[in-house]
Amino acid sequence: QKEVEQNSGPLSVPEGAIASLNCTYSDRGSQSFFWYRQYSGKSPELIMSIYSNGDKEDGRFTAQLNKASQYVSLLIRDSQPSDSATYLCAVNDRNTDKLIFGTGTRLQVFP
Amino acid sequence: EAGVTQFPSHSVIEKGQTVTLRCDPISGHDNLYWYRRVMGKEIKFLLHFVKESKQDESGMPNNRFLAERTGGTYSTLKVQPAELEDSGVYFCASSQDGRPSKYFGPGTRLTVT
Repeated sequence: QKEVEQNSGPLSVPEGAIASLNCTYSDRGSQSFFWYRQYSGKSPELIMSIYSNGDKEDGRFTAQLNKASQYVSLLIRDSQPSDSATYLCAVNDRNTDKLIFGTGTRLQVFP
Repeated sequence: EAGVTQFPSHSVIEKGQTVTLRCDPISGHDNLYWYRRVMGKEIKFLLHFVKESKQDESGMPNNRFLAERTGGTYSTLKVQPAELEDSGVYFCASSQDGRPSKYFGPGTRLTVT
């Protein structure tokens, strides 16, 4: 079983819709969770971090965490074509500072 | 403020050759991380420096990989001798306080033929 799992996609949504990206993780003791956005050929860019159960909102982005279900999600409201990218879920290894990444979900927002 | 920089952006070498990748973190960032993405796989941690010390090198694949950070500034990652499976994109990231980094470098794409 992979430590962090994501559907590779592509997830295609129309402009203006809500895009929902999901991630599950295996280590129940994980404490910190992150979403990175990576445009093709570019470096990952941290867009959201979440540490406690519930929702965290930042502009059009909402991260949701459910530790009991070991599940993290990212919602993008009013999706724009410029949101088209690969979204990487990452979990902080509880014993170190290293990040454990999922393979990413490719999002396509079409006009 | 300059971001994390990496050099070279691309490197194509033959199996058995040596390659050295360089990472310049954001000035003042004590924490420096190396990650690698092999095609089709997830980004994987290689190692973590705090200043010039290796805090965690549990992700280094084998002893063909040598990372250094003399003086606690820039870091180099040497692969010697390179093998085909070393091909991938090598990312560097830095942070001031050890929290997961906002700041990844652009990566070095290594191709071993």
